[in-house]
Amino acid sequence: KNEVEQSPQNLTAQEGEFITINCSYSVGISALHWLQQHPGGGIVSLFMLSSGKKKHGRLIATINIQEKHSSLHITASHPRDSAVYICAVRRYSGGGADGLTFGKGTHLIIQP
Amino acid sequence: NAGVTQTPKFRVLKTGQSMTLLCAQDMNHEYMYWYRQDPGMGLRLIHYSVGEGTTAKGEVPDGYNVSRLKKQNFLLGLESAAPSQTSVYFCASSPRGAGELFFGEGSRLTVL
Repeated sequence: KNEVEQSPQNLTAQEGEFITINCSYSVGISALHWLQQHPGGGIVSLFMLSSGKKKHGRLIATINIQEKHSSLHITASHPRDSAVYICAVRRYSGGGADGLTFGKGTHLIIQP
Repeated sequence: NAGVTQTPKFRVLKTGQSMTLLCAQDMNHEYMYWYRQDPGMGLRLIHYSVGEGTTAKGEVPDGYNVSRLKKQNFLLGLESAAPSQTSVYFCASSPRGAGELFFGEGSRLTVL
């Protein structure tokens, strides 16, 4: 079982819909990252959080440390939000030399 | 402000050839990383550096070498390329070990 599981793997929605992407993890962590990757493009860091909730524009990230779960929400979705969204957790120990374990990503398509 | 720049963006090699990928960052970050991204898998750490003159192995280091002679540059070398090294390579930097990650645009390498 992967230590970081994202759901759904693929999501297609209509413009304007409220989007939720989930990330569950099975290890103790010190922080969780949400990353965005556009097709053929680079990777951009959206959020780094260790508790509570963060908001940036139409994007909201929440984390529940006790339940080992985080969600990324997109309000009023737009076709330019179409991208792969990646969850990564920073473990207290292990998880690779940099302490990060990455999910496989959620492929989001927003149709006009 | 360029951030993290990778060169080249695309390269096709024949099996056995060698090449070097260059990562340059202008944010004075101490930590730099090389990852590879393959279909259906999360990002995997190849090598990383915690400062000028230091390098260390990550999760999948075999077949790669790195050097960090200057703080702003992190080079990834393939001495004898193999088809299994066909991948998209991402460089990232961070001001500290547990800090936010800044990624480059990626370098797509094909080994025939």
